[in-house]
Parts: sequence; structure tokens; C-alpha cells
Amino acid sequence: EVQLVQSGAEVKKPGESLKISCKGSGYSFTSYWIGWVRQMPGKGLEWMGIIYPGDSDTRYSPSFQGQVTISADKSISTAYLQWSSLKASDTAMYYCARPRGEWLFHDAFDIWGQGTMVTVSS
Amino acid sequence: EIVLTQSPGTLSLSPGERATLSCRASQSVSSSYLAWYQQKPGQAPRLLIYGASSRATGIPDRFSGSGSGTDFTLTISRLEPEDFAVYYCQQYGSSPPDTFGQGTKLEIK
Repeated sequence: EVQLVQSGAEVKKPGESLKISCKGSGYSFTSYWIGWVRQMPGKGLEWMGIIYPGDSDTRYSPSFQGQVTISADKSISTAYLQWSSLKASDTAMYYCARPRGEWLFHDAFDIWGQGTMVTVSS
Repeated sequence: EIVLTQSPGTLSLSPGERATLSCRASQSVSSSYLAWYQQKPGQAPRLLIYGASSRATGIPDRFSGSGSGTDFTLTISRLEPEDFAVYYCQQYGSSPPDTFGQGTKLEIK
């Protein structure tokens, strides 16, 4: 079964760092891009960025460039989303998702992780 | 960046009725790279339609997508109780970034 399994919910204080993960299984992890999508409480979906684990080619939305870092470790089929200094406004559900086609990031996301809730509060 | 505007914001219908959801883009979407997703409370989004009109694997044929250029439509021919959810459109032809619409909530009348 093709699936993406994300790390568990996090509660952090402003200024702290955080790295959340997304582990792929059931497919060739290095052949598909992995994207990250934010959903703030009660709000819609926002595309943050995407990485190709095969060579770590990464693209960011201008809205998130410099605010987060996307990375991947192909040896353990895991992608990451990290913050160096969290803000209260980072409180959201974060989803990883895989496009339909191999090698394509211009594609719809057909496989989604279950989401990781990040809460940032003093 | 392409801005997608969905309408209506909320649609109130009864089971068995037909639902028509709209997604309008601020500029033409390349190669009809337009997708529709369904999201229920507490769940991740689920892909319904890609390429503006192709149903994803396992999606019932009561869901259909149409449109090109800047105007796209998701139609649900006969609403089932499980169809009441929030629906998002997404363009992925001009990225980064992909962009999503703000969503349409389909609620039971």
C-alpha cells in the first residue's frame, strides 16, 4: 500500500525550533516529488513547497521561502519540514502529499499524509 | 501567482440534488492543470478530479469536472450524505507555487 506517515502532534513555544517528518512507503521514494501544505485552523490549503528526494531539488512558494526549510533523507524514505524559530502564527496542520506522476511536480496530489498538528504558544 | 476564486462560499442542498461548484482563475491555467479535492472534518484532503475532468482512482462517477482556461466546474450529479464536505480547487500548471482556492462548503439543507 502506498502511504505517507507523518510524525505526531507538536506543542512548542515561540522561538523554538522544530522538524517534522513524512515517511513514504509502498513506492519508489526517490522517483516522486513530496510537497508540503499548510492549513491554519478553520482555513484553507496553502502550498508551501516541494522536494524531489532523488536529488533534493527543492522549490518554495514565495510566501514560505526563508520561513521554513524542506529536506529529505532518501536512505530512510523520509521528507522533513523544519523551522528555526517558531512563531504563534505557525500554528497549523501541516500535510505532506505526493503528486500522481513519477518525476512530475506539475501534478495533482493523490497521496496525502495524515497531517501533523503544530501548536505554538507561550 | 495565479489566484483561484471559488463560488459560492457555502452551498446548501439536500441529498439527491445536483451540486455545481465554480472555480475561476485570475489567468489561464496551463494545459488544464486543475484539480479538485474533498476534505471532511479531521481528515486530509482527497483527490477527486485532475486535469480538469479526469476522475481519480476510486472516485464515483457522480463526480465530474469540466472547464478550461480560467473557468472550471465541479458537478456532483446526485448528492449522497457522505458528499457534504469542503471542496477545494488547485492549479498546478504554473508553479511554484501551486495555488488553491479558498474552498466551498457543501452543507445539508
